[in-house]
Amino acid sequence: DVKVTQSSRYLVKRTGEKVFLECVQDMDHENMFWYRQDPGLGLRLIYFSYDVKMKEKGDIPEGYSVSREKKERFSLILESASTNQTSMYLCASIATGSLGYTFGSGTRLTVV
Amino acid sequence: GNSVTQMEGPVTLSEEAFLTINCTYTATGYPSLFWYVQYPGEGLQLLLKATKADDKGSNKGFEATYRKETTSFHLEKGSVQVSDSAVYFCALRRNSGNTPLVFGKGTRLSVIA
Repeated sequence: DVKVTQSSRYLVKRTGEKVFLECVQDMDHENMFWYRQDPGLGLRLIYFSYDVKMKEKGDIPEGYSVSREKKERFSLILESASTNQTSMYLCASIATGSLGYTFGSGTRLTVV
Repeated sequence: GNSVTQMEGPVTLSEEAFLTINCTYTATGYPSLFWYVQYPGEGLQLLLKATKADDKGSNKGFEATYRKETTSFHLEKGSVQVSDSAVYFCALRRNSGNTPLVFGKGTRLSVIA
């Protein structure tokens, strides 16, 4: 069964820490995305990537960066975690020309 | 810009009741439209989709019709079950290029026995 795997379901980090959220897909998809999900705000796009070493800013990139060194892996980096980055983070991927995204199960990050 | 507006929840229904969740969109051109569902503790799953005007997407008893004239894609189900309790997201994606999905804010549905 094809899937998108996010390395952690729950994560607790301290303010100021550098945080890495990992996402791996086994479908050879070119396109990968990071969203954050907050109650009442829905899903908001942070960053996306169309290919290895390529990245594009989404709607809310401030405070985040990404890395895509290999096709199957797309990492979200919080350079200096802050409490307002406490959220559910969702990774997704899709093949070029396809319609439906495949989502990971999400990482619930709490910054204390 | 592209945007999706869906009815606010939460929506609470009794089992076997009729469900409608409204969704309207603003987009340049003619996007593809989607409904995603998120069950408790899980990521999002594609529920159904429609790629052009008057298309009807359907899956698991849910239906939605792409209405260009009203820019709407309302989700309906004739008889909901407790297992349908979830958060439902309407989304759109432009058909040209590799543009990301744009989501509505989600509607939480609770079905009680």
